[in-house]
Amino acid sequence: SQQGEEDPQALSIQEGENATMNCSYKTSINNLQWYRQNSGRGLVHLILIRSNEREKHSGRLRVTLDTSKKSSSLLITASRAADTASYFCATYNYGQNFVFGPGTRLSVLP
Amino acid sequence: EPEVTQTPSHQVTQMGQEVILHCVPISNHLYFYWYRQILGQKVEFLVSFYNNEISEKSEIFDDQFSVERPDGSNFTLKIRSTKLEDSAMYFCASSFNRYNEQFFGPGTRLTVL
Repeated sequence: SQQGEEDPQALSIQEGENATMNCSYKTSINNLQWYRQNSGRGLVHLILIRSNEREKHSGRLRVTLDTSKKSSSLLITASRAADTASYFCATYNYGQNFVFGPGTRLSVLP
Repeated sequence: EPEVTQTPSHQVTQMGQEVILHCVPISNHLYFYWYRQILGQKVEFLVSFYNNEISEKSEIFDDQFSVERPDGSNFTLKIRSTKLEDSAMYFCASSFNRYNEQFFGPGTRLTVL
């Protein structure tokens, strides 16, 4: 089974709109993290949410975690063209390693 | 702000050759990682390293791969006999503890001809 599946695979929105990306996973986790990757570049950590947390905010980012559904969502409010990137969720599982999902490619059109 | 650095940014090699990728993690971090990302695909975990030994490794990290922390600052990934399918971006990362956020370097693009 594959951890950290994001959907949608690609999302295209207009500047100013909100973007929502979802992530599902299959096993128990210690925490779930969201990362951003600009084309051909390294990953930048955005936010970490622990398994006992339900919601977390950082600037224009809002992350929720539903451990009963084994899912998380990342909301970017008032999107900007500079938010165009791929967004990955990653889960850190007890006794296992760090697993990234395939990512959502977000395009914010000016 | 401290950051993870990687060298070289791009490495081209012939199939069968050995390559060593270099990383300098953030100085007070204790856990070090290597990941790879084949073009257009997701980031895949290779290995984690703590207290001068491998703590976890994936199925990808077979006998042709090795890691080393030769001194107090560098963290290297060696691929002994490169194959065409080793062509990918290789990312180094470090974290203060096992469950914290990881800080990634800019990556080394390895091209095997």
